[in-house]
Amino acid sequence: QVQLVESGGGLVRPGGSLRLSCVASGFTFGDYYMSWVRQAPGKGLEWISSISGSATHTNYADSVKGRFTVSRDNAENSLFLQMNSLTAEDTAVYYCARDKEVYYDAVAYNGNFDNWGQGTLVTVSS
Amino acid sequence: DIQMTQSPASLSASVGDRVMITCGTSEAIGRHLNWYQQKPGKAPKLLIYGSSSLQRGVPRRFSGSGSESVFTLTISSLQPEDFATYYCQQVHTPSWTFGQGTKVELK
Repeated sequence: QVQLVESGGGLVRPGGSLRLSCVASGFTFGDYYMSWVRQAPGKGLEWISSISGSATHTNYADSVKGRFTVSRDNAENSLFLQMNSLTAEDTAVYYCARDKEVYYDAVAYNGNFDNWGQGTLVTVSS
Repeated sequence: DIQMTQSPASLSASVGDRVMITCGTSEAIGRHLNWYQQKPGKAPKLLIYGSSSLQRGVPRRFSGSGSESVFTLTISSLQPEDFATYYCQQVHTPSWTFGQGTKVELK
């Protein structure tokens, strides 16, 4: 079955950096877009970044653009999120999610997250 | 970005009740809307995609409807395991945005 396992979260000081990883199994990883979605404590869900199966296309929310970088290693079935210049507003549980492509009138739409990891907590605090 | 408005923010219901949650969008998005369920301490789970398509394995008491800018998630007969928070999400344009969530609690 599909499994996504995140790691790399922890406590980091404001201005610091952290790299999250997500290891996938149970499906052909390189065939899927993947995304990172975060959830601040007690708050709702926020999509922050996505990457195409071949890594040719990446996309970011305005809140992290220029600070976060998404990447992947299809040979290792792994997804990464490099986070720099962290602030307290980045404190959240970070989920990796598999993206199910859905067709509407023969046009493919992404952003449909059909499998999620368990999440990894990132706390930015001095 | 497309703004999402979910209502109500919370509701209290009993087992067996019919529950409806509404999601509005700031612009027309066709049928490009998903619904997720999230239980405390757990990752979200995709319930409905394309406004009304049931994700594999999701019970048929869940249904979705709507198009353009008004959408509804309906639980036909609330079960004990359905007490959770529900989120809508538009996938019409990146960045994909979520509603604020609706918490369904036991009356």
